[in-house]
Amino acid sequence: DVVMTQSPLSLPVTLGQPASISCRSSQSLVHSDGNTYLNWFQQRPGQSPRRLIYMVSNRDSGVPDRFSGSGSGTDFTLKISRVEAEDVGVYYCMQATHWPGTFGPGTTVDIK
Amino acid sequence: EVQLVESGGGLVQPGGSLRLSCAASGFTISRYWMHWVRQAPGKGLVWVSRSNSDGSVTEYAVSVKGRFTISRDNAKNTLYLQMNSLRAEDTAVYYCARAIAPPGTPDYWGQGTLVTVSS
Repeated sequence: DVVMTQSPLSLPVTLGQPASISCRSSQSLVHSDGNTYLNWFQQRPGQSPRRLIYMVSNRDSGVPDRFSGSGSGTDFTLKISRVEAEDVGVYYCMQATHWPGTFGPGTTVDIK
Repeated sequence: EVQLVESGGGLVQPGGSLRLSCAASGFTISRYWMHWVRQAPGKGLVWVSRSNSDGSVTEYAVSVKGRFTISRDNAKNTLYLQMNSLRAEDTAVYYCARAIAPPGTPDYWGQGTLVTVSS
C-alpha cells in the first residue's frame, strides 16, 4: 500500500496568519489516466471528515478560497492563506491513485 | 441536501457480530460507489470497504477481508456493513461515504456510528 506522510503533525497558528501542511507519498500518485488523485480532508472537533480539495488543487463546493492545494508526483501542499477560528481541526491527505486508498496520519491545526 | 445517516453501532463482545446501516437521502446511491471508512478512538482514518453502484463489485481492506461484508439495497437507498468475528481492534467510529466511480474519492460523509468490541 502507498504510505502517506504529513508534516508537521501539529501546527499552532496565529489567527489571520498563513498555514501550510506538507504531504508526501511513498510512490508517484500520477494515475495511468494522467490525473493525480490526491485529496485533502478537514475534520473539525467532534465532526465527520469533510473533503476540501480533490485531484491536488480543485476546491469542493462551499470551500473558502483561502484553502488551496498544490503539488505533483509525490509532494503536495495544503495552504490556508489566513487562518480563521473555524479552521481548527485535523487535516488529512488521502491518495486514491493506487487502491486501497490511504490516508496520511493527520495534522492538527490549532490557534496559538 | 445530501445526507448519510449511519446506525447499528454499539457494544459487542469479541467474536460477535454487528450490522451497520447507512441511510442516504438527497441523492440516489444507485448512481454512486459507496464506502465505509473507520476511525479508532483518537486515531486517523482508515478505508474499510467499497461497493460499486449496483453491488456487483465489492472490495475490502486486508484487515477485514473474510469477516466483513458490504452490501446495498438501492431500492431502499441504504448501504450496509455486516461485521462478523469482531476483534478489539475493530473498535472505531464507522463512517459511510459516497464517491463517484474510481478513482473518485468520498465527497459526502455521514456522522458515523461507534462500534466498541469489548468483553
